[in-house]
Amino acid sequence: DTGVSQNPRHKITKRGQNVTFRCDPISEHNRLYWYRQTLGQGPEFLTYFQNEAQLEKSRLLSDRFSAERPKGSFSTLEIQRTEQGDSAMYLCASSFQQGAGTEAFFGQGTRLTVV
Amino acid sequence: AQSVTQLGSHVSVSEGALVLLRCNYSSSVPPYLFWYVQYPNQGLQLLLKYTTGATLVKGINGFEAEFKKSETSFHLTKPSAHMSDAAEYFCAVSVAGNNRLAFGKGNQVVVIP
Repeated sequence: DTGVSQNPRHKITKRGQNVTFRCDPISEHNRLYWYRQTLGQGPEFLTYFQNEAQLEKSRLLSDRFSAERPKGSFSTLEIQRTEQGDSAMYLCASSFQQGAGTEAFFGQGTRLTVV
Repeated sequence: AQSVTQLGSHVSVSEGALVLLRCNYSSSVPPYLFWYVQYPNQGLQLLLKYTTGATLVKGINGFEAEFKKSETSFHLTKPSAHMSDAAEYFCAVSVAGNNRLAFGKGNQVVVIP
């Protein structure tokens, strides 16, 4: 296993279009997280899954955003009707076991540019 | 809610000099604290973490950090900077029962030859 994989690495889209990103976590990890990172800021939490269940969503995750993790394996993050403010790096992370303090392993991210 | 503060977005350090990155946290319950490093076009990599026990934590690449509850701090240090240390460094906090990491704004470290 080579780690957390995210595709695509880069995405340029026109405002108003829908985009979907994919994250493949480390295979034995039961937790999967999505974060968003804008220029000059640290990553901000969006949502997290334990297995296939989405257990927590940030207020940052507007109605235009939806995330899924079917069968508790890979996850997708879809943004509908993209806006210029959605331009950011979208990071996926995964971890094993429960509880805070467990190391999260991050993917390289998907950089979204909305023009 | 818990949070962290990292001051000084850009930090310049001479090769061979001490690296010191400051992190102060805010949490009403005992925190778990992390330092991550991000190299260009790469994901975040864990440098070290504090959960419980020894307050001086050693990490990879010669970095260490000390948890000081009285100062609500978790500063990152490395005795001698190397050119390969040029990267962005993030401090983060989480607490038991909360599955999210709250990150600081990061420090961009530049190493001057």
